[in-house]
Amino acid sequence: KAGVTQTPRYLIKTRGQQVTLSCSPISGHRSVSWYQQTPGQGLQFLFEYFSETQRNKGNFPGRFSGRQFSNSRSEMNVSTLELGDSALYLCASSRVPTDTQYFGPGTRLTVL
Amino acid sequence: GDSVTQMEGPVTLSEEAFLTINCTYTATGYPSLFWYVQYPGEGLQLLLKATKADDKGSNKGFEATYRKETTSFHLEKGSVQVSDSAVYFCALYTGNQFYFGTGTSLTVIP
Repeated sequence: KAGVTQTPRYLIKTRGQQVTLSCSPISGHRSVSWYQQTPGQGLQFLFEYFSETQRNKGNFPGRFSGRQFSNSRSEMNVSTLELGDSALYLCASSRVPTDTQYFGPGTRLTVL
Repeated sequence: GDSVTQMEGPVTLSEEAFLTINCTYTATGYPSLFWYVQYPGEGLQLLLKATKADDKGSNKGFEATYRKETTSFHLEKGSVQVSDSAVYFCALYTGNQFYFGTGTSLTVIP
């Protein structure tokens, strides 16, 4: 069974640009969560989607948004990038929200 | 609010030493508790979990017991190997979302 895949694996952007990250969950998983991982803050929850609906949202500004498609694939978008957005963005999937989460390898975003 | 506090790192141990990584939590209700491990350049992998008080999760020689009276879920391993070098994250799930600790980096030297 294929694991969670995230594309691209690495991204370099400049301040003010926007970026879209993609996550394909494990087959049969309908819940997708996104996290931002930084050395100082650890993992911080961004949002969770289940059956194309945002179920929960963390404490991030409105520049961070996401969506989920009917095939459970998910995208997150960050607009007007700031230097502080440089981080590893992790996606995790589970069959349903209360189930164990399985993580992808992450997308490393660097904002210059 | 709900949160997880885990032992600050980094931790450096010699091969075959005993490992303890402390984790305590604050949560309302009855959360599920997890340990995840992150190897260099990879995402997080579930190491073990416990869903109710007094449950013991175990995997690959690692163990952790869900202690409701002390709100703790400490990770232990009797004899670490070089291949255990990684970052370990304690996490809780409240039924609403996951909360992760900041991670503890472990380096095992031969």
